[in-house]
This record gives sequence, C-alpha cells and structure tokens, in this order.
Amino acid sequence: QVQLVQSGAEAKEPGASVKLSCRTSGYTFPNFYVHWVRQAPGQGLQWMGVINPSGSSTSYARRFQGRVTVTGDTSTSTVYMELSSLSSDDTAVYYCVREDALSYHLDYWGQGTLVTVSS
Amino acid sequence: EIVLTQSPGTLSLSPGERVTLSCRASQSVSSSSVAWYQHKRGQAPRLLMYGASSRATGVSDRFSGSGSGTDFTLTISRLEPEDFALYYCHQYGNSPRTFGQGTKVEIK
Repeated sequence: QVQLVQSGAEAKEPGASVKLSCRTSGYTFPNFYVHWVRQAPGQGLQWMGVINPSGSSTSYARRFQGRVTVTGDTSTSTVYMELSSLSSDDTAVYYCVREDALSYHLDYWGQGTLVTVSS
Repeated sequence: EIVLTQSPGTLSLSPGERVTLSCRASQSVSSSSVAWYQHKRGQAPRLLMYGASSRATGVSDRFSGSGSGTDFTLTISRLEPEDFALYYCHQYGNSPRTFGQGTKVEIK
C-alpha cells in the first residue's frame, strides 16, 4: 500500500534551517510528484512546493522562494524539504503529499512533522 | 492566486442531519479541479472528493461533491459520529495551489 513516512519532530532556533524527510513506498517513486504542505497553529493548509522525482524539477510558492529547497533521492524513494532562515512564523506541522498522476489531485499524505521554532 | 472562501466557518449539528459545505473561488477553477479533505486533530488530512464530484476510494457514498467555475459544495447526507471534523477545499487547477480556510463540523 502507498505510504509516506516522515521524519520526527524538530525544535529549532530562529535563523536556523531544518531539513525534513519523507520516505515513500508502495508505488513507483519517479512516476508521482510529491508536494509539501504546512499548517501553522490555528491556521489553514498552505502549499509550499513540489518536486518531480523523475527529473528533480521543482516549483515553489512565491512566499517561500529563496528559503525552501525540495530534493529527491530515487535510490531510497525519499523526498527532502529544507527550509532556511526560520522564524517563529514557521512553527507548523509539515506534510509531504503525493500527487495523483492522472488527475493531479493530492491523494496520499504523510503523517506530518511538527517543527517548532523558538529561542 | 485563487483565494478559496469556505462557509460557514463552523457548523453545529446532530448525528443524522444533512450538511452542505460551501467553497467559493475568487476566479474560475480550471477543469473543476477541486478536492475536499477531512482533517481530524493529530491525523493527516484524508482525501474525500476530487475533480469536484469524484469520490475517493473507500469514501462512503454519504459524501458527495458538486460545482463548477467558482462555486463548489460538499454534502454529507447523514452525519455519522466519525464525520465531525474539519473540512478543507483545495484547488489544483491553477498555480499556485491553494486551500480554503476550512469549515469545522462540530457536534451540537
């Protein structure tokens, strides 16, 4: 079955960077785009970016441009998301999500990773 | 970017009731590329509907979706106890992808 398993919770200080992982299984990794979506406390869902694992092309939301980098490792079927220059506004649960290859909607979600930014 | 506005913000209902959730887009969504998700605290969002009206695998037929252009709805025909949750709409037809702010369905 399709699974996306994310790395554990992180605590960071302002100005630091964080790199999260999303290990996928149960499907052919290069054939499906993977997105990152976050949810800050009391807020809705916010799309951050996407990677095409087959060619490693990426696209990012404008508000995260220059701060976010999404990469993929086809040997381990894992996607990574690095976010730099963290502030308290980046405290959130971060999800990796698979995109359906035919209809382009987001179908399978990881369990989420809590990132807490605090001094 | 397309802004999705969900209404109402919160609904207080009893099991067995019928509920209709609204999602209005600030501009037309390409190809009715709207999905709905159910989100419970501490869990990952769960896909309910995609393409505005296609039910995801394993989703009860109590859930149905409709709409096109700028107006989309999710209907739950008879609320079950496990349906009390947050519901988000999401448009993926235009870049960047965006989500509504959510509607909370709570027990009355």
